[in-house]
Amino acid sequence: AQSVTQLGSHVSVSEGALVLLRCNYSSSVPPYLFWYVQYPNQGLQLLLKYTSAATLVKGINGFEAEFKKSETSFHLTKPSAHMSDAAEYFCAVGGTGYSTLTFGKGTMLLVSP
Amino acid sequence: DAGVTQSPTHLIKTRGQQVTLRCSPKSGHDTVSWYQQALGQGPQFIFQYYEEEERQRGNFPDRFSGHQFPNYSSELNVNALLLGDSALYLCASSWTGYSGANVLTFGAGSRLTVL
Repeated sequence: AQSVTQLGSHVSVSEGALVLLRCNYSSSVPPYLFWYVQYPNQGLQLLLKYTSAATLVKGINGFEAEFKKSETSFHLTKPSAHMSDAAEYFCAVGGTGYSTLTFGKGTMLLVSP
Repeated sequence: DAGVTQSPTHLIKTRGQQVTLRCSPKSGHDTVSWYQQALGQGPQFIFQYYEEEERQRGNFPDRFSGHQFPNYSSELNVNALLLGDSALYLCASSWTGYSGANVLTFGAGSRLTVL
């Protein structure tokens, strides 16, 4: 069985500050890990994915995440927050082929001027 | 290139009614998955369709059923609606032939309100 825990349902940062969204996973097999972003009244958009090729993964909009097997973590970071980053972020774990995704409960990122 | 399209975008039903939601996958994709996203929660897997058959199913009652057509489009049906069925229903498509990480492409969702 696979599961995802996202620490903090809400994270508030100032514009220009570091963004850190936390994700821990549980998986009985080597996982594939994903971060998705959801803007209001929209579906989910893929930010980045970890597929075992490299532990540091770069995604769109300046986001990146680091896979740490020893900590079973896949935290999402961005050096400098922008107002347009305000959205809900979901971490998900999945497998290969037609495996489904298991999502965390999400973290709402609030960015203040 | 059209992505995943879902209809309707919003709908309101009353308890006990039935609803059908529709999804057209991204061009080139052959697999459709449905997720339920309740307010303040992450998406929960309902089921997945491939080659017109239900391939996997999450922990949802039989009131939730689906169908996939030869053109890969899909429907989600919910019978005997309950207040707790109010949620955003997301359709996601993918290609089964890809052996790597299964990246899902999501539609914008259908927001169902049950009164």
